[in-house]
Amino acid sequence: AQTVTQSQPEMSVQEAETVTLSCTYDTSESDYYLFWYKQPPSRQMILVIRQEAYKQQNATENRFSVNFQKAAKSFSLKISDSQLGDAAMYFCAYRMLNSGTYKYIFGTGTRLKVLA
Amino acid sequence: GAGVSQSPRYKVAKRGQDVALRCDPISGHVSLFWYQQALGQGPEFLTYFQNEAQLDKSGLPSDRFFAERPEGSVSTLKIQRTQQEDSAVYLCASSPPSNWYSSYEQYFGPGTRLTVT
Repeated sequence: AQTVTQSQPEMSVQEAETVTLSCTYDTSESDYYLFWYKQPPSRQMILVIRQEAYKQQNATENRFSVNFQKAAKSFSLKISDSQLGDAAMYFCAYRMLNSGTYKYIFGTGTRLKVLA
Repeated sequence: GAGVSQSPRYKVAKRGQDVALRCDPISGHVSLFWYQQALGQGPEFLTYFQNEAQLDKSGLPSDRFFAERPEGSVSTLKIQRTQQEDSAVYLCASSPPSNWYSSYEQYFGPGTRLTVT
């Protein structure tokens, strides 16, 4: 069975600095998707960035980028120039590419605090 | 356009009561998912619909949990004889058809926080 592990329950970063959130996963599949979602106190899960496993190039979205290491099954999120609005829970998620079930498997989350 | 909506946002039930949680997906989205998120945890999959067909209900924790989507749009998650361990946030998500760009992405609603006393 696939699993997703986020080993950092909480992280802090100074405003305007850079922070990296870690995620590892376990799967025997070769094709899959990986995601980072942000969940602010309002609870609405917001997609931050996605990565297709068959793409070697790391995904980037403005201040957000990933370091995808397929062999190591690692998928970390880097937030540059951190802003107060980045404070939230961040969840790493996995989804198989071709499956009858398109469910996401989530990690336990990392709470990010941004210090002014 | 409008996102995924869920109602009620908050529900308090006495132990043993039945509850019904509603999800309105984004118009045109064929796939619909329910997740349960316990306090301090990540969401856990409950069930998945493609149109009106429930294709996966492997995550439903007991036969007290029942979900339906009779016309392929709105979905209801029903919990019978609620127990304290059912207290959680219930998230609904929808996905576009497979021939749409980003069909593998899920768009989440704000969730329903259920508290069983």
